[in-house]
Order: sequence, then structure tokens, then C-alpha cells
Amino acid sequence: AQKVTQAQTEISVVEKEDVTLDCVYETRDTTYYLFWYKQPPSGELVFLIRRNSFDEQNEISGRYSWNFQKSTSSFNFTITASQVVDSAVYFCALSGFINTGTASKLTFGTGTRLQVTL
Amino acid sequence: GAGVSQSPSNKVTEKGKDVELRCDPISGHTALYWYRQRLGQGLEFLIYFQGNSAPDKSGLPSDRFSAERTGESVSTLTIQRTQQEDSAVYLCASSFQGLAGNTIYFGEGSWLTVV
Repeated sequence: AQKVTQAQTEISVVEKEDVTLDCVYETRDTTYYLFWYKQPPSGELVFLIRRNSFDEQNEISGRYSWNFQKSTSSFNFTITASQVVDSAVYFCALSGFINTGTASKLTFGTGTRLQVTL
Repeated sequence: GAGVSQSPSNKVTEKGKDVELRCDPISGHTALYWYRQRLGQGLEFLIYFQGNSAPDKSGLPSDRFSAERTGESVSTLTIQRTQQEDSAVYLCASSFQGLAGNTIYFGEGSWLTVV
């Protein structure tokens, strides 16, 4: 069975602070994909990143960076110099690789609500 | 359209009534998914379509829930004899071919309230 755990239910930071959102996953698949989505107050899920399990290089996109550590089954997300517009619920998700039974669905964590204030 | 479109945006219905939720995926996307999000919770997978077939409907919570897809395009999620615990946001998503290796794009959801 697949499972994604986001232990941080809610985080509050002041603008310009850095913040890291934790994601720990469980899967029996040897290859898989990991995702992060942002859900602003409007409700639409916005895709942020997809990583496959055989690429452990960390990734940076502007103020966003992701740290994938296969050894600890973690895929953490850091926002540098946070802004008020970053306020949203962030979801980590997992899916199987092609030709596996888990490839047809995303398993989501329960989300972390990030509140950035002035 | 440019994105996944869902209707209605909001639906309030009386307990026991049937509701239909519609999803228009991104043009050309053969894979379509329905998820449910209860208030303050993560997303629960309901059903996956590849073309007009549903190879995975393991997430449908009961036989009151059904979904169909026609023309490899529009999908309808039907909830019969609605119950209060059905109140949630129902999110539709689509991807080019299957999920693995392809990004899945979500619509804004249909907010269902059963009173």
C-alpha cells in the first residue's frame, strides 16, 4: 500500500522567512513518482513539480526547491523568502510507475496549510 | 478549453436526492480522474478512466456512486440518494495518456453540500 505523510498540519511564518514543508512516503514500488501541488484559497490544485524515483538530484525553481532523499523516503519542499501569495495548502503526492497497479492514481498526503503574514 | 472545466461549481442538495457532476477534461487528454476532498482533508481517489473505460474504480465509496465517460471526453459523476457525508469538493483531473510520466491537471472542483 502507498502512504504519504505530511506531519505539519499548519505553519505560520512572517514574510521573507524561509519555510520547509515535510513529506514522507511509503511504497512497495521500486520506481515511482512524487509530486507537490499547491491549493490556494480559490480551491484549484496547481501542479508544482513531478520527480521520478531514480532521479535524486535536488531541484530549484526560483524561490522553490525540493530535496529528495530516497534513503529516508522524504521529498521536502522549501520556499525561500516566503511571500503572502505563497499562503495556501500544499499537498505532497505519490504514484506508481508505468505498468504497476498503483500507476493509475495519486496518493495524497493530508496537506500542510501555510500562512504567510506581513 | 485551456484547462479542466467542472460544473456546477457549487451544488446544494437535499438528502436523498441524486446529483450529477460534470467534467470537461483538457482536449486530447485520454486519462481522466475523479477525486474527493472532504473539508480540511487530503484528496481521496475515486475512479480513473482511460478513454471511455474505467480500469480502476476502486475508490468509489459505495454503489450510490457511479461515473461514466463518453467520446473520450466529458465525464459525469453521479451520486444517488445523497447523504450528508457526501458533502465534499469533487475534483476532476486529466492527463495525456496515463498518469505515470505525465502531469495531471485538476479542475477547480464542484462543491457539494448535502443538507
